Amino acid sequence: DGGITQSPKYLFRKEGQNVTLSCEQNLNHDAMYWYRQDPGQGLRLIYYSQIVNDFQKGDIAEGYSVSREKKESFPLTVTSAQKNPTAFYLCASRQSQAIYGYTFGSGTRLTVV
Amino acid sequence: GENVEQHPSTLSVQEGDSAVIKCTYSDSASNYFPWYKQELGKRPQLIIDIRSNVGEKKDQRIAVTLNKTAKHFSLHITETQPEDSAVYFCAATRTTSGTYKYIFGTGTRLKVLA
Repeated sequence: DGGITQSPKYLFRKEGQNVTLSCEQNLNHDAMYWYRQDPGQGLRLIYYSQIVNDFQKGDIAEGYSVSREKKESFPLTVTSAQKNPTAFYLCASRQSQAIYGYTFGSGTRLTVV
Repeated sequence: GENVEQHPSTLSVQEGDSAVIKCTYSDSASNYFPWYKQELGKRPQLIIDIRSNVGEKKDQRIAVTLNKTAKHFSLHITETQPEDSAVYFCAATRTTSGTYKYIFGTGTRLKVLA
């Protein structure tokens, strides 16, 4: 479905726990991105990666961590340092040599309980 | 920092009428402007985009216009239908940076009333 898969669709986290959101793509895209979506605030960039083993902080990286060990995978860990993690998280990818729009995953809704 | 302002935040139109959503960007080096449609609980889908070397692009009932001097661009939907109801996001990026980080607007919730 669209070549980029996020899992799980819904995730519940207890306070103080770390959780990891999965993002996998089979589009052979070089670049991958994580965005956070809150009501009325649009999409804000958390982290992005242009190549394997390299990633950069976005605008709201505090409390999050990522890795890019494989081209296909860009998991996002929400750590206990993230004080307000309840949100909808979107992963996206893009072929870096082409000026095309992002392809988005279907998202993960994270709720702190 | 760079930002994109989007207006209105909500828009209700009668079926068959036109809808216009406007965005203003701050980075004068931005040169690619996509528009995304997001239905409730689903992923954003690219519906149209425009590059800075053109002033207008049309795809059936959807069109986008760009005014580089004023640094704003608009989405126009004609003959609206109930299935057009969704949240629409504009974005801007400078492709010359190599990172293609999109700066998104805050979204417009469009409701088409039957």
